[in-house]
Amino acid sequence: NAGVTQTPKFQVLKTGQSMTLQCAQDMNHEYMSWYRQDPGMGLRLIHYSVGAGITDQGEVPNGYNVSRSTTEDFPLRLLSAAPSQTSVYFCASFTTSGNEQFFGPGTRLTVL
Amino acid sequence: GIQVEQSPPDLILQEGANSTLRCNFSDSVNNLQWFHQNPWGQLINLFYIPSGTKQNGRLSATTVATERYSLLYISSSQTTDSGVYFCAVGGDMRFGAGTRLTVKP
Repeated sequence: NAGVTQTPKFQVLKTGQSMTLQCAQDMNHEYMSWYRQDPGMGLRLIHYSVGAGITDQGEVPNGYNVSRSTTEDFPLRLLSAAPSQTSVYFCASFTTSGNEQFFGPGTRLTVL
Repeated sequence: GIQVEQSPPDLILQEGANSTLRCNFSDSVNNLQWFHQNPWGQLINLFYIPSGTKQNGRLSATTVATERYSLLYISSSQTTDSGVYFCAVGGDMRFGAGTRLTVKP
């Protein structure tokens, strides 16, 4: 099992550009989520999904879109990047029967 | 939303020492987890512990839900224990700011 994978590992954008951060898991987990981590802080939940076709907002959803067309994939879209979105982004998945969250390695995003 | 406070913010230990990390939260929760973020940024789930006590090797955790706090105990610390320890609570996983642990050889 590859677990939770994220691409790219690093990305630099200019203000106003758009991009999609990819996240995939091969553990058949129903629950997936996106977090951002800013320096010196814990993670903050952006969006989450409890299954294919179902998404909901977390603590800091503004500026981000998500969709969940399959159990395996949960992409995060930035439609018009802003410097305030410079952060490290983590994707996670878990199954409600186990409650243990598995995290991807993270994507370090810089918006100039 | 729920407020989560962790203490201490920083902790420096000699290898072999024991330590206790604390997580206070402002409201009743049915979900509390402890995580370790290693110096390379990887996040590992340590415990799912909304109440009671659990142990895994040198690590153990206790949550007293009625008093809204959780403790993480690390015994006989090793240099590989270094990193940041986070607790997260609630259905929307509110994270504390973390405790940065440095274990010196």
